[in-house]
Amino acid sequence: DVVMTQTPLSLPVTPGEPASISCSSSQSLLNSDDGNTYVDWYLQKPGQSPHLLIYSLSYRASGVPDRFSGSGSGTDYTLKISRVDTEDVGVYYCMQRIEFPYSFGQGTKLEIK
Amino acid sequence: QVTLKESGPALVKPTQSLTLTCSVSGLSLSTSGVGVGWIRQPPGKALDWLALIFWDDDKLYSPSPSLQSRLTISKDTSKNQVVLTMTNMDPVDTGTYYCALETDDPSPFAYWGQGSLVTVSS
Repeated sequence: DVVMTQTPLSLPVTPGEPASISCSSSQSLLNSDDGNTYVDWYLQKPGQSPHLLIYSLSYRASGVPDRFSGSGSGTDYTLKISRVDTEDVGVYYCMQRIEFPYSFGQGTKLEIK
Repeated sequence: QVTLKESGPALVKPTQSLTLTCSVSGLSLSTSGVGVGWIRQPPGKALDWLALIFWDDDKLYSPSPSLQSRLTISKDTSKNQVVLTMTNMDPVDTGTYYCALETDDPSPFAYWGQGSLVTVSS
């Protein structure tokens, strides 16, 4: 199974400041056949279902602000928030879907300072 | 507009079976490329994939030893529903169970249900 490891697990951020979350996978998430990298990022706000932010490494889901971006290569991937807003609080998860069982990271809790 | 909704019992006794239904509206489960998956989240913990079924009835199951042979996923195209059955329930199976839709339009797993909280207790 592919193991996803997120850092940090807790992320206090001042509004307006940038934030970055890392995710390391136990194997490459690049599909050499189609050239896609199968890592996605979700935000789960308290009491809600996970909400897709980024899919296939760097594509923003519909309606997601452009201050969210995804990048990475090999086995290391990053979600960046250029300017954190108070509505960004919650738990962020990376997820791989290059092979089943798909798997999530442990989650990173973003809180406002 | 695509929506998913989970339904099932809120309380299950140990050793009993759990049956959860995911009702999908706005998209036919017969559409090529479409899949529906089940994800579990124990209270205060991370998300964990359980099973996935595709439009062509291909099925994938988590190979986790704690889930081995306990899961069955199926779909009823006429009702546009996906059913997950989990046998021999244990208190460690307590959690919120989500269904989610895999489709390229607009993006994979852009649609999730609101979740169904299941407590396993005698």
